[in-house]
Amino acid sequence: QKEVEQNSGPLSVPEGAIASLNCTYSDRGSQSFFWYRQYSGKSPELIMSIYSNGDKEDGRFTAQLNKASQYVSLLIRDSQPSDSATYLCAVKPLRYSSASKIIFGSGTRLSIRP
Amino acid sequence: EAQVTQNPRYLITVTGKKLTVTCSQNMNHEYMSWYRQDPGLGLRQIYYSMNVEVTDKGDVPEGYKVSRKEKRNFPLILESPSPNQTSLYFCASSPQGQGLVKQFFGPGTRLTVL
Repeated sequence: QKEVEQNSGPLSVPEGAIASLNCTYSDRGSQSFFWYRQYSGKSPELIMSIYSNGDKEDGRFTAQLNKASQYVSLLIRDSQPSDSATYLCAVKPLRYSSASKIIFGSGTRLSIRP
Repeated sequence: EAQVTQNPRYLITVTGKKLTVTCSQNMNHEYMSWYRQDPGLGLRQIYYSMNVEVTDKGDVPEGYKVSRKEKRNFPLILESPSPNQTSLYFCASSPQGQGLVKQFFGPGTRLTVL
């Protein structure tokens, strides 16, 4: 079992709709959770971080964390073609709480169709 | 401009020929890390460094070496490259105190080992 799992996609969403990306993790004690966006041929860039249960909103993006169920999700409202990218979920497992180390999922490819 | 630079951006080499990929950051970050990215496997950490002269293995360190003699530089060395090291490599840096809240990634180095 991978430590951080994501559906590879592609996830196709019509423009203007809500895109929902999911991620599960195996270490129940994980503390910190991140979503990175990676355009084709480019480097990852951080778009959201979340540390406690519930929702965190930033513009059109909402990160949701449920530690009991060990999943974290990213919602993108009013999806735009520019949102088409691969979204990487990253988790800081408990065993690395004193170290600067995070584990990345393999990413979900999102495609927004006009 | 705050950035992480990597050189070269593209490299084709042959098995066994030693190579170095350089990484430099101008943000005075304590933490630096190397990742490789392969299809379906996501970003996997090779080595990381918490500060000058402090380095540690990541998840896939075999076949790689690193050094951190200066705060800004963190070169990745492949003493005897093999075809299974063909990959896309990213260097990243982060301010230590932020617990990896935000990692800044370099543009990537695409390495092909024949």
